[in-house]
Amino acid sequence: DGGITQSPKYLFRKEGQNVTLSCEQNLNHDAMYWYRQDPGQGLRLIYYSQIVNDFQKGDIAEGYSVSREKKESFPLTVTSAQKNPTAFYLCASSTMEAPGGYGYTFGSGTRLTVV
Amino acid sequence: AQSVTQPDIHITVSEGASLELRCNYSYGATPYLFWYVQSPGQGLQLLLKYFSGDTLVQGIKGFEAEFKRSQSSFNLRKPSVHWSDAAEYFCAVGATGFQKLVFGTGTRLLVSP
Repeated sequence: DGGITQSPKYLFRKEGQNVTLSCEQNLNHDAMYWYRQDPGQGLRLIYYSQIVNDFQKGDIAEGYSVSREKKESFPLTVTSAQKNPTAFYLCASSTMEAPGGYGYTFGSGTRLTVV
Repeated sequence: AQSVTQPDIHITVSEGASLELRCNYSYGATPYLFWYVQSPGQGLQLLLKYFSGDTLVQGIKGFEAEFKRSQSSFNLRKPSVHWSDAAEYFCAVGATGFQKLVFGTGTRLLVSP
């Protein structure tokens, strides 16, 4: 079955460490997105990519970095510059064929905790 | 730019009662509207979407939504709520020629016995 796989499901980061969250899709979608979710704040867009080797900053990109070397993969690195990284991170993908891509497909999320 | 408002942060409904979750959008042209559901610790699942045509849209799990242009609304409804419907619900709007969705802040549904 096609879908999006996020790993790991839980991740713990020490102060000053960079960590990378994985996102892989086999839906042949062109566009991929990273969102951060905090209680009561809905979804906030971190980065998105509409084509390989290109990506755009979202609303809260500071302290994060991404790459898009393959169509299927869009990893997110949470750097030590992100001062409050504890959150639930969601990856999504969509086609480019319609507004909103006919609706996004979401992964099951990664919960990152600073220890 | 488009925007979405979900005015209710929490709603509690008795099992078996009807449900309506509110969503208001702001966009100058015909919007593309979506409802998603999120169970705790999970990703979002698409319930239904509206692009054009019939303003009453049927979705999965027995949900429906009605697009009302005059009220800039896209409210989600279900005639009889089940305990398994307890979750967080997000409304989203897309715009022509632009793939990014704008999400509301969500409404948490609690179902009482």
